[in-house]
Amino acid sequence: GQQVMQIPQYQHVQEGEDFTTYCNSSTTLSNIQWYKQRPGGHPVFLIQLVKSGEVKKQKRLTFQFGEAKKNSSLHITATQTTDVGTYFCAGPASSGYALNFGKGTSLLVTP
Amino acid sequence: EAEVAQSPRYKITEKSQAVAFWCDPISGHATLYWYRQILGQGPELLVQFQDESVVDDSQLPKDRFSAERLKGVDSTLKIQPAELGDSAMYLCASSLRAANTEAFFGQGTRLTVV
Repeated sequence: GQQVMQIPQYQHVQEGEDFTTYCNSSTTLSNIQWYKQRPGGHPVFLIQLVKSGEVKKQKRLTFQFGEAKKNSSLHITATQTTDVGTYFCAGPASSGYALNFGKGTSLLVTP
Repeated sequence: EAEVAQSPRYKITEKSQAVAFWCDPISGHATLYWYRQILGQGPELLVQFQDESVVDDSQLPKDRFSAERLKGVDSTLKIQPAELGDSAMYLCASSLRAANTEAFFGQGTRLTVV
């Protein structure tokens, strides 16, 4: 079935540095979603991208959907300790029903 | 704010015993997912319901796992018999319209099999 792959698996940054995580799919996606999971918490929806080449911003977070709708990225500018957590991308399975998650990128921010 | 309710939050069981988890999705959400998350990994879909019907259970170990959503509202996931490798977080999520809308997750049930 369709899988979404994420890199890197881990990222450790100093507070104030930028951070980027990438998501790639072997098939074209109708949409891609991003979630954040704080340590000990559950995944929380951040955003959904639908259009080819779409770029959306949420304060210091910038989300992009590739032109071919096979890849996506999340960029955080000037990280803060509150950004700590694991960031997951998720896309529809080939069936169109199931929502498949990548393995996530764990972000650690040290002050 | 509406939430997905799950119980219990924590469960410790001995291997070979039966265990069950309950989930009550957000009212009006037709789609309900059960995911398993092993520490350090992403959620892995076990089963997905659309109303009361199973639409994807391809990753559900059917020899020991079962799931139902009889009235298309709340759902139960059962494991019998539990194995040591089943220790994980079991997350329930719901959404309005399957994979094209955001999923809302419950707090999860942390299962430890000893």
